[in-house]
Amino acid sequence: QVQLVESGGGVVQPGGSLRLSCAASGFTFSSYGMHWVRQAPGKGLEWVAFIRYDGSNKYYADSVKGRFTISRDNSKNTLYLQMNSLRAEDTAVYYCAKDQAPWLVLYLPDYWGQGTLVTVSS
Amino acid sequence: EIVLTQSPGTLSLSPGERATLSCRASQSVSSSYLAWYQQKPGQAPRLLIYGASSRATGIPDRFSGSGSGTDFTLTISRLEPEDFAVYYCQQYGSSPPGLTFGGGTKVEIK
Repeated sequence: QVQLVESGGGVVQPGGSLRLSCAASGFTFSSYGMHWVRQAPGKGLEWVAFIRYDGSNKYYADSVKGRFTISRDNSKNTLYLQMNSLRAEDTAVYYCAKDQAPWLVLYLPDYWGQGTLVTVSS
Repeated sequence: EIVLTQSPGTLSLSPGERATLSCRASQSVSSSYLAWYQQKPGQAPRLLIYGASSRATGIPDRFSGSGSGTDFTLTISRLEPEDFAVYYCQQYGSSPPGLTFGGGTKVEIK
């Protein structure tokens, strides 16, 4: 069965950096695009970033463009999110999610991890 | 960018009742690329419906989706206790890159 396990969250000061990881299993990781989606406390869902199955293309929400970098290591079945210049408004649970269709760019997350909490506070 | 508006914000119903949730898009959603998710407190979202009306794997048939263009509906035919949750609609497709979610509808026990 599909499993996605995020790690790397924690408390960081404004302006700081953090790297999130998402370990994938139960599917052919190298065949699927992957997403990061976040949810601020008590708020709705916000898409953050997407990376194609082979890492050849990456797309970002305007709110994180230039500060966050999505990447993947298909040999380790792992997705990453490097977050720099963090702001208070980046405080959220960060979920990794798998795109539904292999090889394609569909932007339809079908399986999600349980999330990791990032708190940006002094 | 397509903006999705969900209504009502909160729906108060009893188990066994029918729930009808609305999602309206600011412009037409191409190819009916509209999905619905369920989220319970402390849990990740779960995909329920994609392509406006196709149920995801393992989703009970009391959940159904309909609509096209700018108006979409999620219907839960008879609410079970485990169905009380927040529901989000989402539009997808590769142009422009990215995806957007509606603000959510909370279905609570009356």
